[in-house]
Amino acid sequence: DIQMTQSPSSLSAFVGDRVTITCRASQSITSYLNWYQHKPGKAPNLLIYAASTLQSGVPSRFSGSGSGTDFTLSISSLQSEDFATYYCQQNYITPWTFGQGTKVEI
Amino acid sequence: QVRLQESGPGLVKPSQTLSLTCTVSGGSVSSGGYYWSWIRQPAGKGLEWIGRLYTSENTNYNPSLKSRVTISVDTSRNQFSLKLSSVTAADTAVYFCASELKLRGTLGDWGQGTLVTVSS
Repeated sequence: DIQMTQSPSSLSAFVGDRVTITCRASQSITSYLNWYQHKPGKAPNLLIYAASTLQSGVPSRFSGSGSGTDFTLSISSLQSEDFATYYCQQNYITPWTFGQGTKVEI
Repeated sequence: QVRLQESGPGLVKPSQTLSLTCTVSGGSVSSGGYYWSWIRQPAGKGLEWIGRLYTSENTNYNPSLKSRVTISVDTSRNQFSLKLSSVTAADTAVYFCASELKLRGTLGDWGQGTLVTVSS
């Protein structure tokens, strides 16, 4: 299985901050990398697919970059509704695997 | 946008079979273009992909669970189901159903999840 490692596991930030989350794959996954936002008790929400393509309806403050093994999710100006846990997921080869999550909190 | 809702027992005894159903609305489980997937999240841990179904004859399972998992579809009810046999406390988790867009491999729509506890 491809191992996905996110860092940091949690971070504290203020509204308006720029936030960057890193995801590393144990082997090259080219650009087969998706990012999800998850709030407690809610359904996870797809933010970015193919490493850098914004899902329809997702605010433009979210962006993704990277290829191969190293990827980043950035939030340009953190809003109150962005406090959540973020997961990366590889869809290069099954079984799909997720990072362990990054909790963004105040 | 497809809507999904998980249902099933919230408590299962050890060694028994966990059974969950996902009801799909706003779309058809018979329509091409989607995989119908199950993912779980143990308390305090990350997401684990369980497997997916395209048709009754086309399924993919996580090798770590493959010997215990069956995903099936009921087109007449527009539902798909998960069965996980011989459960232990390690199978206690929130279970999500989701649709995966075949062309992109993205889990675009999810249910809210249902907690299943394995305990005697």
